[in-house]
Amino acid sequence: DVKVTQSSRYLVKRTGEKVFLECVQDMDHENMFWYRQDPGLGLRLIYFSYDVKMKEKGDIPEGYSVSREKKERFSLILESASTNQTSMYLCASSSGRDADTQYFGPGTRLTVL
Amino acid sequence: GQNIDQPTEMTATEGAIVQINCTYQTSGFNGLFWYQQHAGEAPTFLSYNVLDGLEEKGRFSSFLSRSKGYSYLLLKELQMKDSASYLCAVTDSNYQLIWGAGTKLIIKP
Repeated sequence: DVKVTQSSRYLVKRTGEKVFLECVQDMDHENMFWYRQDPGLGLRLIYFSYDVKMKEKGDIPEGYSVSREKKERFSLILESASTNQTSMYLCASSSGRDADTQYFGPGTRLTVL
Repeated sequence: GQNIDQPTEMTATEGAIVQINCTYQTSGFNGLFWYQQHAGEAPTFLSYNVLDGLEEKGRFSSFLSRSKGYSYLLLKELQMKDSASYLCAVTDSNYQLIWGAGTKLIIKP
């Protein structure tokens, strides 16, 4: 069974704080993704990575950065949290084949006050 | 632009059948996924269609018509645990997943 874990289920931060969200997968997947999910909207891709030390911008990268130093770990960084970044953040991973199934972590509900 | 449409909410009765539709307009097509997401939980994979036709998997079936840009998810013998959101997602020509907003399915006894 694929397992994707995220460091926190719930997180409360203040405006301007630097926030780190961690994601770890145990299936040796090449691809990892960070999404945010807001009511009434589809999952929106923030960043993704196809390999260690590689990163690609998704649809809404502004205000975020990522780090992938090891294959199993993909971190999302909010450099200076703002209230409009209050959201559910979902990490996913998939194997190297095209159009492959993405497996999701449990999500982190982040509230920025 | 790229767009995926699905109904926002549907209600059905326990034991009945429900069909959740999804229409898409994307730059290219490399497959369509259906995911289930219970409230407060992560999406979990249900089905993948890349060729036209019906794929059956137990109580769940998924249909695809590429010429019409249309898919549906059919749930039979509904159970209370099927209450969830159902997400349609299409892989475009760049193999990026484009997600619909999801359909919230409410099952009533």
